[in-house]
Amino acid sequence: EAGVTQFPSHSVIEKGQTVTLRCDPISGHDNLYWYRRVMGKEIKFLLHFVKESKQDESGMPNNRFLAERTGGTYSTLKVQPAELEDSGVYFCASSQDLDAEAFFGQGTRLTVV
Amino acid sequence: AQSVTQLGSHVSVSEGALVLLRCNYSSSVPPYLFWYVQYPNQGLQLLLKYTSAATLVKGINGFEAEFKKSETSFHLTKPSAHMSDAAEYFCAVTLYNFNKFYFGSGTKLNVKP
Repeated sequence: EAGVTQFPSHSVIEKGQTVTLRCDPISGHDNLYWYRRVMGKEIKFLLHFVKESKQDESGMPNNRFLAERTGGTYSTLKVQPAELEDSGVYFCASSQDLDAEAFFGQGTRLTVV
Repeated sequence: AQSVTQLGSHVSVSEGALVLLRCNYSSSVPPYLFWYVQYPNQGLQLLLKYTSAATLVKGINGFEAEFKKSETSFHLTKPSAHMSDAAEYFCAVTLYNFNKFYFGSGTKLNVKP
């Protein structure tokens, strides 16, 4: 069974550009989470989808970030326009139930220059 | 509010020596506590978790952690370090065993031959 897959693994963009990160959860997992780790600090929660609905988006830093999960399968996280402080590693995780084990992807390292 | 503090961003031990990674938590409700490990170029992997059952929790790869309410701690230990244990370790707390994690800033473990 495939794990959580994230694309791309690395992205380098210029300030002001747009970047879209993608996460493919484990098949059948209704719950999908986005996390971010900035500059070697703690990993912080961004948001949580249950199927295609945003259950909790309290961690989204500002309106330059837009997450979608159309059809309740894969999810995208768009940053537009990107700023220098958006650099970091973006992790995606999925779980079958709210209290089931969450499985993490390897992350997307985003560098904004 | 929930938070986690990991003392020591870098820990170095010799192969065969005791591994001790420290984690202290703050939680407004009885906590669920986790340790995750990230090997190079991989996603986060669950090592072990405490969910209010036994206070000594055994995980994978010979790791264990003890929940001490009086000390608000959940330190991770392994009696004998192996070279393959070199990785970054994250302590995390959640509410009600749900997957909205509050992570610590991580501890990189280096194992010397």
